[in-house]
Formats: sequence, structure tokens, C-alpha cells
Amino acid sequence: EAGVTQSPTHLIKTRGQQATLRCSPISGHTSVYWYQQALGLGLQFLLWYDEGEERNRGNFPPRFSGRQFPNYSSELNVNALELEDSALYLCASSLAETVYSNQPQHFGDGTRLSIL
Amino acid sequence: AQSVTQLDSQVPVFEEAPVELRCNYSSSVSVYLFWYVQYPNQGLQLLLKYLSGSTLVKGINGFEAEFNKSQTSFHVRKPSVHISDTAEYFCAVIRINAGNMLTFGGGTRLMVKP
Repeated sequence: EAGVTQSPTHLIKTRGQQATLRCSPISGHTSVYWYQQALGLGLQFLLWYDEGEERNRGNFPPRFSGRQFPNYSSELNVNALELEDSALYLCASSLAETVYSNQPQHFGDGTRLSIL
Repeated sequence: AQSVTQLDSQVPVFEEAPVELRCNYSSSVSVYLFWYVQYPNQGLQLLLKYLSGSTLVKGINGFEAEFNKSQTSFHVRKPSVHISDTAEYFCAVIRINAGNMLTFGGGTRLMVKP
């Protein structure tokens, strides 16, 4: 079974540019999550999509946005890039959300975004 | 609000020695608990989880953890570590029925020495 796949592996941008990160979930998983792992800040929740809808959002500015496509893959877009956006962005997927949130999230290897 | 505290940022240990990585959490509501492992240049791999039932849970690679509700702890242990266990370990919680977001601790770097 293929795991969560993310592309690109590395992305280099300059301040003010826009970045698009992509994620394909495990087959059968409908929920996709995005996390940021920045040096000194740890792992922080960004966004959760399920069945094409944004279900929850972390404490990040609106220039962080995304979407989920009908095939459940997802994009994370970061506009007006700032130096502090440099981080490893991790995507995770899980089976359909249940009332009790008990489906474990499975992670991809991430996209390392570097802002020059 | 909830928070997760991993008491040790680094744990050096010799090969074949036992190890315990500590995790405490605070939450006003019930949570599910997880440990993830991150090897260099990789994403997170689920090590083990506690959802309900027996407070002792077994995971991959010989790790096990015990949920202690009164002490709000979820420490993970391994009786004999290998060089290949060298990695970053993250404790995480999800508030039940409240948005599916994992809240992570700061991580513990396990360094196994020969």
C-alpha cells in the first residue's frame, strides 16, 4: 500500500513569492492534514480537509490556504512568502473522520520549503 | 486549551540499555494519545496510540507505553534499545470530537550509543 506522498521534496523561493505544495493521501483516506515543522517552533497544525471541505484551521495567517480535490489529494498554498515560512511542511491522511476522532494520522516525508 | 510536555529534549543511552521517554499532557477534555517517531530526513511514523481500554499499549519496534490518567502521563519505554532506534520521538494528543488536530510535544531526541 502506497503511503502519503508529497511533492516536491524541496522547494526554494524568495521573499514575496508564492509556493504550492502537493499531497496525495493513502488510498481510501478522505481526510488530509497539513502541519508545519519549523526550527525552534516544533510541529504546529495548519489545516484539515475532509470531503473537499476545510474542517479546521490552526493559528496561521490567511496567506496560508489550501484545497482538497475530488480525488482527496490536496494543495497547500502560501502567498507572500516570508523568511520565517522556511520549514518542513508535513501532510498526513486518515480514514474518514468519526465522531470520536480516533483514526490515526499517517504522515508523508514532507516538503522542505526554504525562503531566501 | 491543551498542551503536551516532553520533559527531556535529549536522551543519550547505550545500546541494549532500557529507555523511557516521558510525556505529560494537560487538557480540560478527554484526549487520545499518540507517540510518533521521526528518522532523519523523513516524516512521522506512528509508534503507538492509546484510544481506550487497557492502559498498557504496545507499538512497533518493541516500544510500549502506559497511560496514567491521574498523573496525565503517557511515557513510552523500551527494554533494550538498538542503534537503529536513534531518532526524534514526539508525543501528541487529540481532543476528542474537537477538530482532529494533533497537538505535539517539543520532541525528544533519542541518541543510542554503541
